[in-house]
Amino acid sequence: NAGVTQTPKFQVLKTGQSMTLQCAQDMNHEYMSWYRQDPGMGLRLIHYSVGAGITDQGEVPNGYNVSRSTTEDFPLRLLSAAPSQTSVYFCASSYRIAGGPSEQFFGPGTRLTVL
Amino acid sequence: KNQVEQSPQSLIILEGKNCTLQCNYTVSPFSNLRWYKQDTGRGPVSLTIMTFSENTKSNGRYTATLDADTKQSSLHITASQLSDSASYICVLAPDDKVIFGPGTSLSVIP
Repeated sequence: NAGVTQTPKFQVLKTGQSMTLQCAQDMNHEYMSWYRQDPGMGLRLIHYSVGAGITDQGEVPNGYNVSRSTTEDFPLRLLSAAPSQTSVYFCASSYRIAGGPSEQFFGPGTRLTVL
Repeated sequence: KNQVEQSPQSLIILEGKNCTLQCNYTVSPFSNLRWYKQDTGRGPVSLTIMTFSENTKSNGRYTATLDADTKQSSLHITASQLSDSASYICVLAPDDKVIFGPGTSLSVIP
C-alpha cells in the first residue's frame, strides 16, 4: 500500500494564482482531512470529509475549497493565493470510530510559498 | 483559551534518560486522545491512542496515561534514543473536528 500520497512536494505561487493540492489514499478510509502547519504552531484543520460527497469546514477554511468525489481522493484548492497561505499542508486519512476519526495516517506534506 | 496545551514547549535530555511530556485539555467529552511523533520535515506518526475510559496505553518505550478527572495526559519515554528527537503532539477528537496541541520539541543529545 502507498498509504497517503500528496503532490506536489513543493510549490511556489504568486499572489492571486490558484492551484490544487492533490491527496490520495489507498486504505479505503472514510475520513480524510487537510491541515496547515505554521512555524511554532500546531496543525490546524482546514476542511474534512467523512465520506464521498460529504465535506465540512474546519478551523481555518477561508480561502480554500475541497471536494470528495471518490473515497480515495481529497483535493484542496486554493482559490486566490495570498502570502498568508504560505505554510506546510498535510493531508490525513483514517477510519471513523464512535464520535470521530481513529488513528490518522498523514501524507508527507506540501510546502507552499506564496510570493 | 487553547483547548489543548502542552508542556514543556521544548526539552533537552541526555541519551538513555527518561522524560515525561504533559498535555492539559479542556475538551470534554471526547472520542479518543492520541499522541503523535513528528520528525522534522515529515508528517506526524501515531504513537498511542486511548479512548475516554482508558487510563494507560503503551507502545514499546512510549507509555501514555490519561486522567479524565484532572483533564491531563502524559507521555513517558523510557531510555531515550537519539532517534526520539522530534516534536510530540497531543491530539483530541471530541468529534470529527480533531484538535491538535502545539507540541513539545524534544532533543536527545549524546
